[in-house]
Amino acid sequence: GAGVSQTPSNKVTEKGKYVELRCDPISGHTALYWYRQSLGQGPEFLIYFQGTGAADDSGLPNDRFFAVRPEGSVSTLKIQRTERGDSAVYLCASSSYGLNEQFFGPGTRLTVL
Amino acid sequence: ELKVEQNPLFLSMQEGKNYTIYCNYSTTSDRLYWYRQDPGKSLESLFVLLSNGAVKQEGRLMASLDTKARLSTLHITAAVHDLSATYFCAVDRAIKAAGNKLTFGGGTRVLVKP
Repeated sequence: GAGVSQTPSNKVTEKGKYVELRCDPISGHTALYWYRQSLGQGPEFLIYFQGTGAADDSGLPNDRFFAVRPEGSVSTLKIQRTERGDSAVYLCASSSYGLNEQFFGPGTRLTVL
Repeated sequence: ELKVEQNPLFLSMQEGKNYTIYCNYSTTSDRLYWYRQDPGKSLESLFVLLSNGAVKQEGRLMASLDTKARLSTLHITAAVHDLSATYFCAVDRAIKAAGNKLTFGGGTRVLVKP
């Protein structure tokens, strides 16, 4: 594919449930970022991967949030025991190298009821 | 802590007139970006500004950067309805392992009326 893809596009879940959000970066991009955008606000950084390793996870709000990128390509953001405050659009971005421009995916809109 | 502020938060424009969106940031940064976001869509990159005095133009949009004032402006010339969207500025900062974390402003929602 030409761009960053994310699945699902929409996810509705109940409070307390576990969810996984997937990101497919642009082929060959070694750097991958997750951001969260709450309604009416700008995106906020969550975590950065360089290759397979999480190089900076300082933006993860608490230990219910976890992300992996086992083969250095696809990444999964995992949220345990979801809360209503987790409702937001989760954006993924990738770049060919960490310091280069980031290209954003369409996002996953998560709604926690 | 790096902070990015945009103003105004909302801008109602008349077609054909000129407007400016302002973006202030609190500490030195590597680069400044402008993005456009349509409702329910992701971020579309408009400009990347790399150095003091940088000016870039694309169609009716022009962005400039003053690193000494820590200020960027996005100027809209002769607004048209198609420019209705939310505009974000973002500043990046190098982080561990050669990454760069973007810090976004709160966005400026633009509505262009006929």
